[in-house]
Amino acid sequence: DTGVSQDPRHKITKRGQNVTFRCDPISEHNRLYWYRQTLGQGPEFLTYFQNEAQLEKSRLLSDRFSAERPKGSFSTLEIQRTEQGDSAMYLCASSTSERNSPLHFGNGTRLTVT
Amino acid sequence: RKEVEQDPGPFNVPEGATVAFNCTYSNSASQSFFWYRQDCRKEPKLLMSVYSSGNEDGRFTAQLNRASQYISLLIRDSKLSDSATYLCVVTPQGGGGFKTIFGAGTRLFVKA
Repeated sequence: DTGVSQDPRHKITKRGQNVTFRCDPISEHNRLYWYRQTLGQGPEFLTYFQNEAQLEKSRLLSDRFSAERPKGSFSTLEIQRTEQGDSAMYLCASSTSERNSPLHFGNGTRLTVT
Repeated sequence: RKEVEQDPGPFNVPEGATVAFNCTYSNSASQSFFWYRQDCRKEPKLLMSVYSSGNEDGRFTAQLNRASQYISLLIRDSKLSDSATYLCVVTPQGGGGFKTIFGAGTRLFVKA
């Protein structure tokens, strides 16, 4: 299966610790996105890459959050000094750059900050 | 006003029923429209794109009304396996998934 993969599936951390998540997109997709989803809500956009360039960041993405896609393939999302409010499902998605190209999601990383 | 609004439900229907969901969007320049399905604690999965002329995929029919800025999803002959949350998804003009906005979802429970 060459779908979007994310690692880890679950992460439990203590408040104040740093965490890093990884996303491997579908290999033919040059666009990669990070979303965050909390219970009862739809996914909220965090940031977006086209190849290695980070082209858009949401206001939701505070300075404690950083994302990279150094070689235009996999991406990492790091959260520094985690807070309990960071607890959520972090979803990665990829797409082509064709018009109307839908997003294909990975199975997400569920973060719990205690 | 939210950019994409959906009735959260839940919709509780018996097997075999027909159920319809509506979704409204605020940006009149929106370009692309989709319905995604999300099972509990799983990732969203594309159900179908929504085209201006309306489109059908088996038991599912999607329609777009640009004048009124709403999208609909009709499920006929509901199955137990249709139980899920259905997310309305809108991408504004200019495309690029980075502007893709998700509704909060409508929950559907299909009962035997």
